[in-house]
Amino acid sequence: DIQMTQSPPTLSASVGDRVTITCRASQSIGGWLAWYQQKPGMAPKFLIQKASTLESGVPSRFSVSASGTEFTLTISSLQPDDSATYYCQQYNTYSPAWTFGQGTKVEIK
Amino acid sequence: VQLVESGGGVVQPGRSLRLSCAASGFTFSSFAKHWVRQAPGKGLEWVAVMSFDGSDKYYADSVRGRFTISSDNSKNTLYLQMNSLRGEDTAVYYCARATILTMAEFDYWGQGTLVTVSS
Repeated sequence: DIQMTQSPPTLSASVGDRVTITCRASQSIGGWLAWYQQKPGMAPKFLIQKASTLESGVPSRFSVSASGTEFTLTISSLQPDDSATYYCQQYNTYSPAWTFGQGTKVEIK
Repeated sequence: VQLVESGGGVVQPGRSLRLSCAASGFTFSSFAKHWVRQAPGKGLEWVAVMSFDGSDKYYADSVRGRFTISSDNSKNTLYLQMNSLRGEDTAVYYCARATILTMAEFDYWGQGTLVTVSS
């Protein structure tokens, strides 16, 4: 099975800071890598599909990049509304299997 | 698009429970549907998926042989039959719609229903 290693588990940053979350796959996963945002007590929200496409309504301060098996979510200027836990998720077409990263909790200082 | 789960509750180990997910706002039979769960204070875990036409069903190793995903297209409802429940099945269960033409990613989620397995 493909494992997704997400880091850091938590991060604390100030409003306006640039923050980066990384997700590393244990092997090649093709292009099926999504990102979700979850706030306490709520369902996850679909942010980014197919490793690169921001969903409608997602602020442009969110961006993604990929290099081999490493995928990065960047918030260019952290806002109070961005306080949440972020998950990456991969889909293995060959298994098939769906795997989430462990999550990154983003806190505002 | 709206997904509304129901059927959660407290159940004893070894017993069964059936969850429902009522869908609206889209053509139910045109999309694959998933169940994803989240244990208290933990991360997300994929549970099961059904293809748009019901011909393909896949399960996580942790539930295979105990859980069954199904749907009733006439009622726009997705189900998860959970048998032989264990303490480690305690979680909020979400139904989620897959992105169009694939089963790969989850674009809409319900609010979740809590299942507690305890004696």
